[in-house]
Amino acid sequence: GENVEQHPSTLSVQEGDSAVIKCTYSDSASNYFPWYKQELGKRPQLIIDIRSNVGEKKDQRIAVTLNKTAKHFSLHITETQPEDSAVYFCAARRDSGGYQKVTFGTGTKLQVIP
Amino acid sequence: KAGVTQTPRYLIKTRGQQVTLSCSPISGHRSVSWYQQTPGQGLQFLFEYFSETQRNKGNFPGRFSGRQFSNSRSEMNVSTLELGDSALYLCASSLVPESTDTQYFGPGTRLTVL
Repeated sequence: GENVEQHPSTLSVQEGDSAVIKCTYSDSASNYFPWYKQELGKRPQLIIDIRSNVGEKKDQRIAVTLNKTAKHFSLHITETQPEDSAVYFCAARRDSGGYQKVTFGTGTKLQVIP
Repeated sequence: KAGVTQTPRYLIKTRGQQVTLSCSPISGHRSVSWYQQTPGQGLQFLFEYFSETQRNKGNFPGRFSGRQFSNSRSEMNVSTLELGDSALYLCASSLVPESTDTQYFGPGTRLTVL
């Protein structure tokens, strides 16, 4: 089955600096890669996603890159703010004859220090 | 448009009991997926329902089951509860179970097994 590894598990950055979280996946058939932000005690919320036919996607301070050959994708947050502090999860999803299979990374706890 | 709702939000059970959790998807969404979130294992996929049919299942024992009704609402049931079943159970809905479709998470049901 699919295996998604996420690094680092914890990340502390100064406010205004950039943060990068990396994920690798094993199933080359995975074709959809969402990123979720989960604040303490709250539900995961989709912040950005990328599909396998795209190499990069940006939404204001957040960007995601995908390298299909190397089977890794990364989340980039620029100009970090204290409200970016949360746990971030990557996921890899594939269709298999109309069935979706999704595997999550183990999460990265991001702390933005004011 | 109302988001995904889950009931109950909190639940305390004892070992050996069974529990039923409910999820109401966003209006118009027909696909519902269930996930278990624990500090040790992270987010794990339980199963996915579409049009009252289980489309896919994660690696969980048969004690975990679910169903979907004609109005797309879904329930999951855990029988013979074990201490290790203590977790946050999240459901997510999407229009259809395609990798191009975005999933939206509910607030979760926090289950504690004593």
